[in-house]
Amino acid sequence: DIVMTQSPDSLAVSLGERATINCKSSQSVLYSSNNKNYLAWYQQKPGQPPKLLIYWASTRESGVPDRFSGSGSGTDFTLTISSLQAEDVAVYYCQQYYSTSMYTFGQGTKLEIK
Amino acid sequence: EVQLVESGGGLVQPGRSLRLSCAASGFTFDDYAMHWVRQAPGKGLEWVSGISWNSGSIGYADSVKGRFTISRDNAKNSLYLQMNSLRAEDMALYYCAKAELSGDYFDYWGQGTLVTVSS
Repeated sequence: DIVMTQSPDSLAVSLGERATINCKSSQSVLYSSNNKNYLAWYQQKPGQPPKLLIYWASTRESGVPDRFSGSGSGTDFTLTISSLQAEDVAVYYCQQYYSTSMYTFGQGTKLEIK
Repeated sequence: EVQLVESGGGLVQPGRSLRLSCAASGFTFDDYAMHWVRQAPGKGLEWVSGISWNSGSIGYADSVKGRFTISRDNAKNSLYLQMNSLRAEDMALYYCAKAELSGDYFDYWGQGTLVTVSS
């Protein structure tokens, strides 16, 4: 199974500052035939289901503010919130969909306001 | 508007069975793969099972293999999860999720149905 490891487990950032969450996969999720990274990011607010933010490692889902961006390739990925807003307080998860026999999520990163 | 509405959760004793349902609307159900993802209280997300648009490809997490069965009825726009031999560690909020066509990332999620396993 592909193990997804996020860092840090929790993060406190001041309003308007940059927040960075990392995700590392135990093996590459880059599919060579199409040069796509099979990596998604989700945001989960308390009492709500997860919401898709980013797919293919860097493609923003429709309606997601452009302060959210994804980067990385192979085994190392980053979710960046360029200017933290109060409504961004949530838990963020990465997910690999490269291995279709076993989809796996990172353990989650809790983002709070400092 | 895409809607996924789960039902069937509840309190069940260890070793017993439960069947979850997910009613889908707002999209052409039989075009898309569907999945179940669960979240134990205070914990992270765990993929449980997935099924292709025509039920030709099915997968399970190792933790539920042999005990859970996923199925779908495209005529009824519905997804199901038959859960047998339930254990305390199966207690969680179970989400139904729609996969996107181009890749198995989950673009829509239901609100979830809670399964409590306790004697």
